[in-house]
Amino acid sequence: DIQMAQSPASLSASVGDRVNITCRASQSISTYLNWYQQSPGKAPRLLIYAAFSLQSGVPSRFSGSGVGIDFALTISSLKPEDFATYYCQQTYTTPLTFGGGTTVEIK
Amino acid sequence: EVQLVESGGGLVQPGGSLRLSCAASGFTFNNYAMTWVRQVPGKGLEWVSTISDSGATTYYPDSVKGRFTVSRDNSKNTLYLQMDRLRADDTAVYYCSKDWDSSGPNWSDPWGQGTLVTVSP
Repeated sequence: DIQMAQSPASLSASVGDRVNITCRASQSISTYLNWYQQSPGKAPRLLIYAAFSLQSGVPSRFSGSGVGIDFALTISSLKPEDFATYYCQQTYTTPLTFGGGTTVEIK
Repeated sequence: EVQLVESGGGLVQPGGSLRLSCAASGFTFNNYAMTWVRQVPGKGLEWVSTISDSGATTYYPDSVKGRFTVSRDNSKNTLYLQMDRLRADDTAVYYCSKDWDSSGPNWSDPWGQGTLVTVSP
């Protein structure tokens, strides 16, 4: 199985900060990497698919990058509604696997 | 607007069975693969199953293969997850989601609100 390692597990940031979350795959997955946001008590929501494509309706302050093994999700300027947990997911092969999540907390 | 509504969760004893349903609306259901993902409360996400648009092809991780069966009724716009031989570590919120295309597995959006399954004596 492909393991997905996210870092950091949690971070504290302020409104307006730039935030980077990284995800490393245990083997190359090309650009088969997606990012989801989960707010407390809510279902996950797709932000980025295929490493860098922005899902319709997602604000442009979210962006994705990377290919192969190393990937990143960047939030250019944090808004209050962005405090949530973020997960990466590989869809290169089954079993599909998720990273452990990164919780973005208010500083 | 795409809507996915799960139902069927509840308390079941170890070794028991449960069938989850996911009612879909707002899109052409038989054009898309569908996926189940679960989440232990307070923990991360685990992929459970994907079924192709026609239902001809299904996918499972080893953790549920042979115990869970995914199916769909395209005439009713409904996705199912039959869960047999349930174990305590199957306790989780189960989400259904719409795949990007017909064949799956792929990225999913949107997701339903989830239904809680608790396996306990």
